[in-house]
Amino acid sequence: DTTVKQNPRYKLARVGKPVNLICSQTMNHDTMYWYQKKPNQAPKLLLFYYDKILNREADTFEKFQSSRPNNSFCSLYIGSAGLEYSAMYLCASRGYNYAEQFFGPGTRLTVL
Amino acid sequence: GEQVEQRPPHLSVREGDSAVITCTYTDPNSYYFFWYKQEPGASLQLLMKVFSSTEINEGQGFTVLLNKKDKRLSLNLTAAHPGDSAAYFCAVSEAGYQNFYFGKGTSLTVIP
Repeated sequence: DTTVKQNPRYKLARVGKPVNLICSQTMNHDTMYWYQKKPNQAPKLLLFYYDKILNREADTFEKFQSSRPNNSFCSLYIGSAGLEYSAMYLCASRGYNYAEQFFGPGTRLTVL
Repeated sequence: GEQVEQRPPHLSVREGDSAVITCTYTDPNSYYFFWYKQEPGASLQLLMKVFSSTEINEGQGFTVLLNKKDKRLSLNLTAAHPGDSAAYFCAVSEAGYQNFYFGKGTSLTVIP
């Protein structure tokens, strides 16, 4: 099974409220990624876990948190959603012997 | 950091015609190159990966060209059919291939 799953597929949140998005994969991949995709923009890397080590991009460091309780699951957490967080959030994973990343279908977050 | 420019943003061709999508990148250390296809509501699916020693790769109905001197990657669908209608994204990574840098994508419509 080479699928990456994301839950939920659609999420509606209120400004100022927390948001938690979930990603899972059963390929035993050691690296998991989160991207933010807005219309007419390239997917932007937010952070990635290599095994248990979290790497966050400098310009989004304070906006997003993540956890990886085990190899299969990875979450993306927004402590206080703002309107600018409305976007598609893509999760991906990559195994040690692969150059390519495997993507989930995304979670569309709308903040009102 | 790496900058990836993808053109055109939108492309409409008739069935049987060719379609060409091009990406240029800036980092001469870029080493791995990818084309992904995304159908509506679905995940990004790897179409082809190209490594530094490869200049031309052929797949089912398409050709990928890499010109490292010009820092240019292109996807050529030789005889487009309606099933090719999708969004296409190029991605570039360095030798460590932890980070992907994406183009903004091309929305391809093939008219029957």
